[in-house]
Amino acid sequence: QQQVRQSSQSLTVWEGETAILNCSYENSAFDYFPWYQQFPGEGPALLIAIRSVSDKKEDGRFTIFFNKREKNLSLHIKDSQPGDSATYFCAANYNQGKLIFGQGTKLSIKP
Amino acid sequence: EAAVTQSPRNKVAVTGGKVTLSCNQTNNHNNMYWYRQDTGHGLRLIHYSYGAGSTEKGDIPDGYKASRPSQENFSLILELATPSQTSVYFCASGTGGVYEQYFGPGTRLTVL
Repeated sequence: QQQVRQSSQSLTVWEGETAILNCSYENSAFDYFPWYQQFPGEGPALLIAIRSVSDKKEDGRFTIFFNKREKNLSLHIKDSQPGDSATYFCAANYNQGKLIFGQGTKLSIKP
Repeated sequence: EAAVTQSPRNKVAVTGGKVTLSCNQTNNHNNMYWYRQDTGHGLRLIHYSYGAGSTEKGDIPDGYKASRPSQENFSLILELATPSQTSVYFCASGTGGVYEQYFGPGTRLTVL
């Protein structure tokens, strides 16, 4: 019931394409879903987040689509750039600011 | 001006030894967290704190203690380090209210 799952360990797309990273969860009480971006040797950095009362959140090239009924969400990265190559973590809040993380998806953008 | 800093950045310890990892934040956040990151597991919560003097167990607290002597500082203590505690450790701070967390650069710990 506390699981957050990311459907791919790795994903490769061409520069300029839209990268789609998928995430699912089990606990319907989760109410906040951040995505973190991590480069090698660095800590995760908050990229974009959505609350369960919304079904879409957009910030520049990054968009979260959220489906509460299906308990899944996806991160879309439009016009992918080589600098977007990183590991992306989906997470969920389960109790007063405590987050549970997915295992991460390593995204590679081919120039 | 990094808001969350960790020290040391790299540490090699011997089995059975005591290890202390330190974290300092200048965000003035009430909440602080310790995670470990292992391949295939994402980040897992070890201990957290809601303010100075408070520590709470996270999802994988066994073998670890935590200390929050001030708003700014949060330490993770391995009293008797074991090779299974070899990992990368991240500290984070957050307000709690809006659930955002901000991470430090990590400490790579190797226990031989």
